[in-house]
Amino acid sequence: QLQLQESGPGLVKPSETLSLTCTVSGGSISSSRYYWGWIRQPPGKGLEWIGNIYYSGSTYYNPSLKSRVTISVDTSKNQFSLRLSSVTAADTAVYYCARRAVAGYFDYWGQGTLVTVSS
Amino acid sequence: QSVLTQPPSVSAAPGQKVTISCSGSSSNIGKNYVSWYQQLPGTAPKLLTYDNNKRPSGIPDRFSGSKSGTSATLGITGLQTGDEADYYCGTWDSSLSAWVFGGGTKLTVL
Repeated sequence: QLQLQESGPGLVKPSETLSLTCTVSGGSISSSRYYWGWIRQPPGKGLEWIGNIYYSGSTYYNPSLKSRVTISVDTSKNQFSLRLSSVTAADTAVYYCARRAVAGYFDYWGQGTLVTVSS
Repeated sequence: QSVLTQPPSVSAAPGQKVTISCSGSSSNIGKNYVSWYQQLPGTAPKLLTYDNNKRPSGIPDRFSGSKSGTSATLGITGLQTGDEADYYCGTWDSSLSAWVFGGGTKLTVL
């Protein structure tokens, strides 16, 4: 059974960089059939797609976040990571990592991790 | 403001049927497959339907997805109290080159 687990600091200061890692177990991140993505959900609000990465390293980002986002992959560790720079309180959210089929749906999700931006 | 429009809330009695709509445009729903997600309180979203009308293994046939033109619909029959959750539609937007979610619909089973 595929499992995804987010990890990283739960508190980030304003203007700093948020960094999270998603560890994939029970399957290979190097499959050609899937992208690996990040989605976030501010408290009490809806889902917002952040971006996807393919095992080859090709990326797609939400245009509204593109200038601040970097997603990378480490196939040797079966992990992919998110970096979001210059964070503000508006970036406070539960961050989920998920697997996205190339055909276009998110079929496996991590449990999510709350990241709070505060001094 | 979400690219995909869903009603904020719907409600129905146990055992009844409910539908949740998701309205988009020719660049997203009109061109690409739609998927639906259920988010129970305090948990991660879960895939309910994909490719417009397919169900993953383990999802009961009480849940069904459909698409017509630039709109999609999630149907739930035989409502149970355990179905109380937020429901989201999602698809790729070819003009934005971005994945988009609807704003979410809160289902209350009265």
